[in-house]
Amino acid sequence: GESVGLHLPTLSVQEGDNSIINCAYSNSASDYFIWYKQESGKGPQFIIDIRSNMDKRQGQRVTVLLNKTVKHLSLQIAATQPGDSAVYFCAEMVAAGNKLTFGGGTRVLVKP
Amino acid sequence: GAVVSQHPSWVICKSGTSVKIECRSLDFQATTMFWYRQFPKQSLMLMATSNEGSKATYEQGVEKDKFLINHASLTLSTLTVTSAHPEDSSFYICSAEPQPSTDTQYFGPGTRLTVL
Repeated sequence: GESVGLHLPTLSVQEGDNSIINCAYSNSASDYFIWYKQESGKGPQFIIDIRSNMDKRQGQRVTVLLNKTVKHLSLQIAATQPGDSAVYFCAEMVAAGNKLTFGGGTRVLVKP
Repeated sequence: GAVVSQHPSWVICKSGTSVKIECRSLDFQATTMFWYRQFPKQSLMLMATSNEGSKATYEQGVEKDKFLINHASLTLSTLTVTSAHPEDSSFYICSAEPQPSTDTQYFGPGTRLTVL
């Protein structure tokens, strides 16, 4: 059910600065990881993905880093813009399965 | 490409009534669709996996008789919340995995359900 008073971790960033969002994933058997952006009242939007045979992948203004040793995933956003304000979720998937498990989410607030 | 729609985008109903939510893949065929529930300020929780032409697979703790899923075609899955109660108020989101499977899921815009 709904948890009253639950707060998402929030990252406040000055416009133009770089943002780093962290995620600890739970299953050592996961081999596919995705970052999603969710704006208020909308569904998740794919940002970038990475497979476990890689430790870094770059997209346009975004970079995902994977550290399998400590089960840690991060998303770096370069030159953060007001349009980047949203909640960001990491998600993991186990090989040979197709179920996504989502992390708790981080809210990014971009200050002009 | 790879657009998923949901209908309705929001619905308000009285306690005890049933509500049907549709999830459509508009420009691709999806053997598998997924239904998630998201409470305010929380993450997405997978409710069930819907496979075309077969029974849905429900996650632990999700009542299959309360959340009826039908995946009658490769582009449409429906979720019916039966005898809805206020605690069922939530944001319901579907996703669809294109054929052939590539692990990629495309998400719909979500349906906000409010049960009075």
